Amino acid sequence: GAVVSQHPSRVICKSGTSVKIECRSLDFQATTMFWYRQFPKQSLMLMATSNEGSKATYEQGVEKDKFLINHASLTLSTLTVTSAHPEDSSFYICSARGEGSISYRPPYEQYFGPGTRLTVT
Amino acid sequence: GQNIDQPTEMTATEGAIVQINCTYQTSGFNGLFWYQQHAGEAPTFLSYNVLDGLEEKGRFSSFLSRSKGYSYLLLKELQMKDSASYLCAVMDSNYQLIWGAGTKLIIKP
Repeated sequence: GAVVSQHPSRVICKSGTSVKIECRSLDFQATTMFWYRQFPKQSLMLMATSNEGSKATYEQGVEKDKFLINHASLTLSTLTVTSAHPEDSSFYICSARGEGSISYRPPYEQYFGPGTRLTVT
Repeated sequence: GQNIDQPTEMTATEGAIVQINCTYQTSGFNGLFWYQQHAGEAPTFLSYNVLDGLEEKGRFSSFLSRSKGYSYLLLKELQMKDSASYLCAVMDSNYQLIWGAGTKLIIKP
């Protein structure tokens, strides 16, 4: 249980275009989803937290107009990188968390998607 | 502020034992997680400690001392596939994960 998928796994786009990344919880309802960015040889950096049906909460320094997050349902959140530039090239990872906990798992555990490698040329 | 410290890189020999330390200062504590992350992949869950003591799971064990703000991950009988980054993360009072920078573990034959 607690499987999270991300699509696409890899994407290459031209500078100035927009890219949408989908994050889905496949077998549980994700009331909260998290979007992380990871640059090479660095740790995960939380970009934003989204709750189903409400606006995302962005971390300091993350431009909300550039990184649009929509958590439209309990199983789907999307991250759109608008007007992408080469410096946005990174590994984007989503995670999802449901209400309460799943048996034998830590409470409020985040379940991670496999990540999306974005390259902006 | 919130802070999690762990060594940047460690090297160990195949078949040996290695201990990766993590110290933390956070606003509230709702448990400490250890994740393994291979290059280009998402983190995978290894262990969770919320009470003091040692949790053993096969070749991997994790220890927690809340009074000292300290945890370690112990890997036994190291295998080449254990070469990865190991991330320490603390769940704070808001149930958000605060991440360490990760420890890159290099296993040599």
